[in-house]
Amino acid sequence: QVQLVESGGGVVQPGRSLRLSCVASGFTFSYYGMHWVRQAPGKGLEWVAVMWHDGNNEHYGDSVKGRFTISRDNSKNTLYLQMNSLRVEDTATYYCARGETYYRFWGQGTLVTVSS
Amino acid sequence: SYELTQPPSVSVSPGQTARITCSGDILPNQYTHWYQQKPGQAPALIINKDIERPSGIPERFSGSRSGTTVTLTISAVQAEDEADYYCQSADSNAAYVLFGGGTRLTVL
Repeated sequence: QVQLVESGGGVVQPGRSLRLSCVASGFTFSYYGMHWVRQAPGKGLEWVAVMWHDGNNEHYGDSVKGRFTISRDNSKNTLYLQMNSLRVEDTATYYCARGETYYRFWGQGTLVTVSS
Repeated sequence: SYELTQPPSVSVSPGQTARITCSGDILPNQYTHWYQQKPGQAPALIINKDIERPSGIPERFSGSRSGTTVTLTISAVQAEDEADYYCQSADSNAAYVLFGGGTRLTVL
C-alpha cells in the first residue's frame, strides 16, 4: 500500500533553516510528481512546492519562493524540502502528497514551529 | 493572481443534501478536485477531475460544474460527513496550485 512518511519537523527560531523529508513506499516513486502542502494551525491548506517525477521541473508558491527548495532522490524514494530564512508565518503542518495536479495520497504531516 | 472562493460554513440536518460551492476565474479552464479533512487527519481526496469519485468514496459524494463555479454535493448527509472540505485546482504543469479557503460542514 502507498505510504508517505514525513519527518524533520520541530521548533526553530526565525531566520534559521530546517530540512523536511518524505519517504515513500508502496509505489514506483520515480513515476510521480510530488508536492509539499502546508496547513497553519486552525487554517486552510496552502500549496508550497512541486517537483516533477524526473526532478527536471519545480515550482513554488509565492510565499516561499526564494526561501524554500524542493528536491528528490529517486534512488532513496525520498522527497525533501529545504526551508531557509524561516518566518513565524511558516509555522504549519507540512504534508507531502503524491500526484501531478491533484493528490490521491498524503502523508500524515510533520509540524514545523517557528518561534523565538 | 487566481483565487478559489468557498463559503466558510454550511450546515445541514442528517439525511438532507449539502452543497458546497467553489468559484474562481480559473475553473472553466482547469479541473477541480475536492478533499475532505477531519480533525487531526490529513486531507482525503473525494472527487477528482470535477466529477470522478476515487474508489472507496461513497456514491453520495458527487461533483458538478457550471461556468466559473463548481459544486460538491453530499446527498443524504450523515453525521460522519462533518468535516472541512477544500476545493483545489492547478494548471496542467502544476506551475501553480490553488486551494479554496475551505468550508466547514456541520451536521446539525
